[in-house]
Amino acid sequence: RKEVEQDPGPFNVPEGATVAFNCTYSNSASQSFFWYRQDCRKEPKLLMSVYSSGNEDGRFTAQLNRASQYISLLIRDSKLSDSATYLCVVNSPSGGSYIPTFGRGTSLIVHP
Amino acid sequence: ETGVTQTPRHLVMGMTNKKSLKCEQHLGHNAMYWYKQSAKKPLELMFVYSLEERVENNSVPSRFSPECPNSSHLFLHLHTLQPEDSALYLCASGLRGGHEQYFGPGTRLTVT
Repeated sequence: RKEVEQDPGPFNVPEGATVAFNCTYSNSASQSFFWYRQDCRKEPKLLMSVYSSGNEDGRFTAQLNRASQYISLLIRDSKLSDSATYLCVVNSPSGGSYIPTFGRGTSLIVHP
Repeated sequence: ETGVTQTPRHLVMGMTNKKSLKCEQHLGHNAMYWYKQSAKKPLELMFVYSLEERVENNSVPSRFSPECPNSSHLFLHLHTLQPEDSALYLCASGLRGGHEQYFGPGTRLTVT
């Protein structure tokens, strides 16, 4: 089993749709979780942190489910500009430090 | 200059060349990372430095040699690379302890 798994998609949705992505992780000791957005041929950019209590930033909501070892990202009222690859990252303890592991990303295409 | 910068942005080198990639962060972070991103593959963590000490070396071939002289600078020295090493090399920085990372724009490397 891969450490961090994401459905690569693509998710093809119309403007205004609600879309959700999941990301599962295998290391139960993982401590911190984030979602990043990556546009074609650009670097990943931090989208939001993920907490057990859930957090919301405008149209974006992120949630952590420790019992089932997955994180989720919900995008409401999709915009054309939301088209990108969404990467989850899981930080796991290793020898006193934390090592990040990225998923391979989920591609989102929002069409008119 | 703010954020994370990388130079050069593009590099073409022959298999017998020696070159270095440079990363600089102006965010006051104390952890820095090198990643490799090949087409259609997930981000691969290569090296992690925390407080200028290497804490992770993900079985990277010795033709890649990192150097972290201080908390603001990170280098990746390259020698006798192979064509399959052609990829986007991304540098990131963050606060140690599993916090979010901020990426530079990357160096697109082509090995001929």
